[in-house]
Amino acid sequence: DVKVTQSSRYLVKRTGEKVFLECVQDMDHENMFWYRQDPGLGLRLIYFSYDVKMKEKGDIPEGYSVSREKKERFSLILESASTNQTSMYLCASSSLAGGGSEQYFGPGTRLTVT
Amino acid sequence: AQSVAQPEDQVNVAEGNPLTVKCTYSVSGNPYLFWYVQYPNRGLQFLLKYITGDNLVKGSYGFEAEFNKSQTSFHLKKPSALVSDSALYFCAVRAFGDSSYKLIFGSGTRLLVRP
Repeated sequence: DVKVTQSSRYLVKRTGEKVFLECVQDMDHENMFWYRQDPGLGLRLIYFSYDVKMKEKGDIPEGYSVSREKKERFSLILESASTNQTSMYLCASSSLAGGGSEQYFGPGTRLTVT
Repeated sequence: AQSVAQPEDQVNVAEGNPLTVKCTYSVSGNPYLFWYVQYPNRGLQFLLKYITGDNLVKGSYGFEAEFNKSQTSFHLKKPSALVSDSALYFCAVRAFGDSSYKLIFGSGTRLLVRP
């Protein structure tokens, strides 16, 4: 089974802090994604990566950056956390094997910025 | 632009009754369509997908979905609901040939199955 793990389930940070969210997948997937989930808004794509050191902006990249130094690891960085970044963050991965490949999700990190 | 609509924020159904969670989509060209389920404080779990072929797709936990191209819909169904089916359900779409592999998600529908 595909396993996607995220470094923390719950995180509380102060405004202005630098925050790192880590995601690791064990299925050698090429694609990795970071979403945030907010009530009534569904999932919104922040960034995605289709290869090591490659990244593409999603729909809401402002205030975030990412890093992918190894194929299995995709990090989301909040350079200076703000209260409007309080949310559930979900990481996902998928393969390039066929256009209809599904995404596999991690358990999520619930981030609270105070 | 691609989009997905889940018109109902919540669906209530009695255990043992059939359930339907609605999804309509807008995409240029042929779609890939997906359903995911999210249990409390968990990530999303893949339920089923439509790529091509038979319009009725069967997935995990007894769920199925019917692709209707003329109505641009992909409704999720189950013949007999269980209390344990209570969760948040997301529909997602990707356009055939979209090299980014991005999925566009709907806003989610909360399913509540009462005993």
